[in-house]
Amino acid sequence: QTVVTQEPSFSVSPGGTVTLTCGLSSGSVSTSYYPSWYQQTPGQAPRTLIYSTNTRSSGVPDRFSGSILGNKAALTITGAQADDESDYYCVLYLGSGLWVFGGGTKLTVL
Amino acid sequence: EVQLLESGGGLVQPGGSLRLSCAASGFTFSSYAMSWVRQAPGKGLEWVSGISGTGGTTYYTDSVKGRFTISRDNSKDTLYLQMHRLRAEDTAIYYCVKERGYNHFFDYWGQGTLVTVSS
Repeated sequence: QTVVTQEPSFSVSPGGTVTLTCGLSSGSVSTSYYPSWYQQTPGQAPRTLIYSTNTRSSGVPDRFSGSILGNKAALTITGAQADDESDYYCVLYLGSGLWVFGGGTKLTVL
Repeated sequence: EVQLLESGGGLVQPGGSLRLSCAASGFTFSSYAMSWVRQAPGKGLEWVSGISGTGGTTYYTDSVKGRFTISRDNSKDTLYLQMHRLRAEDTAIYYCVKERGYNHFFDYWGQGTLVTVSS
């Protein structure tokens, strides 16, 4: 069974930079998994931020960026703002129509 | 404008059945694979099931195989999820999601419909 790992929580100061990661319990995340990232605030549906590792979805501010760091996918927020306080989820495409989400990271901006 | 509108959620007893629907608009429905993603109360997102644009291929996460059936009616631009033998752990908000195939990501999400399995 494929398990995708994310930090359960993270904290960043306003204006600061934070990098959230998305790994595999066994193996490395590569671009072949087409990692994508989603932001969710309480009571709302998720919003697509990043797809294909590093492509920003339409309307997403350029303070959000995606990459591969080592053996993980990464979401970096540069110049964090108060309204970036949200849950962030990565998802990996396993091929053959199958997907797996990470457990999500709760980001606090304070 | 792409819109995905789920319906059919509600309260059902353990062992019961429910059918969710998702009415799509704003894009050529038959050209895109679709998925259902759920979120249990206070928990993370979980991919549940997917279907190709033609409806000819379906995919499921292990925990719902044999109990859930995904289907679509491209003449009605509607996606379905038939759920049988429901369990308490199936309690969740179910989101209808459009896939962007060639880049393999979820580009549009519905607002979700709540399914509660409880006696």
